[in-house]
Amino acid sequence: GAVVSQHPSRVICKSGTSVKIECRSLDFQATTMFWYRQFPKQSLMLMATSNEGSKATYEQGVEKDKFLINHASLTLSTLTVTSAHPEDSSFYICSARDREVFREKLFFGSGTQLSVL
Amino acid sequence: DAKTTQPPSMDCAEGRAANLPCNHSTISGNEYVYWYRQIHSQGPQYIIHGLKNNETNEMASLIITEDRKSSTLILPHATLRDTAVYYCIVRGLSGNTPLVFGKGTRLSVIA
Repeated sequence: GAVVSQHPSRVICKSGTSVKIECRSLDFQATTMFWYRQFPKQSLMLMATSNEGSKATYEQGVEKDKFLINHASLTLSTLTVTSAHPEDSSFYICSARDREVFREKLFFGSGTQLSVL
Repeated sequence: DAKTTQPPSMDCAEGRAANLPCNHSTISGNEYVYWYRQIHSQGPQYIIHGLKNNETNEMASLIITEDRKSSTLILPHATLRDTAVYYCIVRGLSGNTPLVFGKGTRLSVIA
């Protein structure tokens, strides 16, 4: 089955630093990738949608200057949390859609647990 | 906002069938019903999806009512490793349509 690789799985950083999270589709080309975050005991919340070669579309309330998304190729999207603060501590998850139109499934990475001290 | 309603939690004895219900009374004609599950601290795992016919794969069966307003996910022989939060999601097939997660059902499989 299709595999989405997300890295790193866990990161601890100091307040004020930036953190980059990578999401790769390993055996398919992903024209669209989605980024979610999940706080403890809550459901996944969609942050943004990224399409290869174009600017990401952010959900209401998500700061685009703080959460920088780059989708430069059909197999890689990155999320950079800039100037991270403790309230940004969360579980971040990416999802990718296979470009083959008959494939209707979305596949998820294993997630990144971000802890900001 | 999520378009589905699920019970917050359910228990199931190991080896028995787990039947997880989902209401989606506002589903439109071109929307599919998807089921994913999330085991603690992992990304969601695809289980099954369907439009109007019942579906079965190696993991589960999906039973959709004739009016499509509700569905049931069936895990035929639940094991302890099936303990997870199960999400029922309604989604159209437009390329940029994401999965919108509700609160899901926390299934606990008990030995």
